[in-house]
Amino acid sequence: GAVVSQHPSWVICKSGTSVKIECRSLDFQATTMFWYRQFPKQSLMLMATSNEGSKATYEQGVEKDKFLINHASLTLSTLTVTSAHPEDSSFYICSARAGTGPENEQFFGPGTRLTVL
Amino acid sequence: LAKTTQPISMDSYEGQEVNITCSHNNIATNDYITWYQQFPSQGPRFIIQGYKTKVTNEVASLFIPADRKSSTLSLPRVSLSDTAVYYCLVGALNTGGFKTIFGAGTRLFVKA
Repeated sequence: GAVVSQHPSWVICKSGTSVKIECRSLDFQATTMFWYRQFPKQSLMLMATSNEGSKATYEQGVEKDKFLINHASLTLSTLTVTSAHPEDSSFYICSARAGTGPENEQFFGPGTRLTVL
Repeated sequence: LAKTTQPISMDSYEGQEVNITCSHNNIATNDYITWYQQFPSQGPRFIIQGYKTKVTNEVASLFIPADRKSSTLSLPRVSLSDTAVYYCLVGALNTGGFKTIFGAGTRLFVKA
């Protein structure tokens, strides 16, 4: 299947700093990219959906000024956690889909473990 | 938005067939049903997707009744490495296309 990569795979930062996570679709063009957050022993929670060249659509309760999402090209989306705090520590997973229809398979990245001290 | 309901956990033994059923009573006409597998600290991995009746691939089968209000993932002859969380997802239409909402998932424990 298609490959989605994330970088970095893990990051530790100090409280108050910003962290950028990259998500790339390596062998296909991603019409839509998704960002999820997952806390230990919990399911994935969708944070936002982004389409190339347009603003991301955030889920209810997700602060768009804190979690900045940029989908500048069909193969790259970035999530920036601004002014990170310990409660932002989580496993962040991106996903990419080649089309917009429900029949289009969604491919997931390996995730990025963020630890905020 | 179609909500999914799955058993929280299941136990099985190596070599057995495992069937995990998911309820999605509010599934929409355009929704597809997709199952993913997730190991700890990894992203979800696609298992199988279907719209109706039966779908089979090299790792699993997916059974969907005519009313599509539920679906059953069937894993033949599980092994210890199949211990993971399995998610049943139903697509939902939003302004940007279809988005995927995860339910709680089913934790499958395969014992020797």
